[in-house]
Amino acid sequence: NAGVTQTPKFQVLKTGQSMTLQCAQDMNHEYMSWYRQDPGMGLRLIHYSVGAGITDQGEVPNGYNVSRSTTEDFPLRLLSAAPSQTSVYFCASRTPGNEKLFFGSGTQLSVL
Amino acid sequence: DAKTTQPNSMESNEEEPVHLPCNHSTISGTDYIHWYRQLPSQGPEYVIHGLTSNVNNRMASLAIAEDRKSSTLILHRATLRDAAVYYCILRPTTSGTYKYIFGTGTRLKVLA
Repeated sequence: NAGVTQTPKFQVLKTGQSMTLQCAQDMNHEYMSWYRQDPGMGLRLIHYSVGAGITDQGEVPNGYNVSRSTTEDFPLRLLSAAPSQTSVYFCASRTPGNEKLFFGSGTQLSVL
Repeated sequence: DAKTTQPNSMESNEEEPVHLPCNHSTISGTDYIHWYRQLPSQGPEYVIHGLTSNVNNRMASLAIAEDRKSSTLILHRATLRDAAVYYCILRPTTSGTYKYIFGTGTRLKVLA
């Protein structure tokens, strides 16, 4: 049981490049979400999903796209990376009826 | 969304109890109170949650004020491994809302 798996762990991009941050969970959790954490700051919610085919915006959605085609995966896409998107990104999931949120180990992204 | 207010930092001596406060004066009647902690270079991990009554688990205790406008996370015997950032968050349960909104948290320093 791997829990919440994020790949890659580290990534360096140039301004304007695109990439996808992967998040997968093997706990059959319906709810999945993405957060970003800037240095010395708390976590800010980017997007979340309550099930396959359903997504919604969080606090800071601009510059990011998401889709949810399966229960297991919730990728985060940066279409045109900007230096302001340099951050650590965390994916989290939970199952209905269980309040506990499970987090991945994070992806550290640098945009030059 | 209801907000939480926590002190930026606290210190404790090892093996002594720690009381981490959280104010949430705009909490609604159906918001769950959650606590998570984040160890250095890791994703957040669940600590405890509650609605109205005090709660205990193997990690900590949660004391909720009678008017629910504040709560306190209690670590009964702090260890060096408890040094982390502790986040108090409110999880709304009204239909269609699944936002776990994190604040900046309290950085706990444990002194040997």
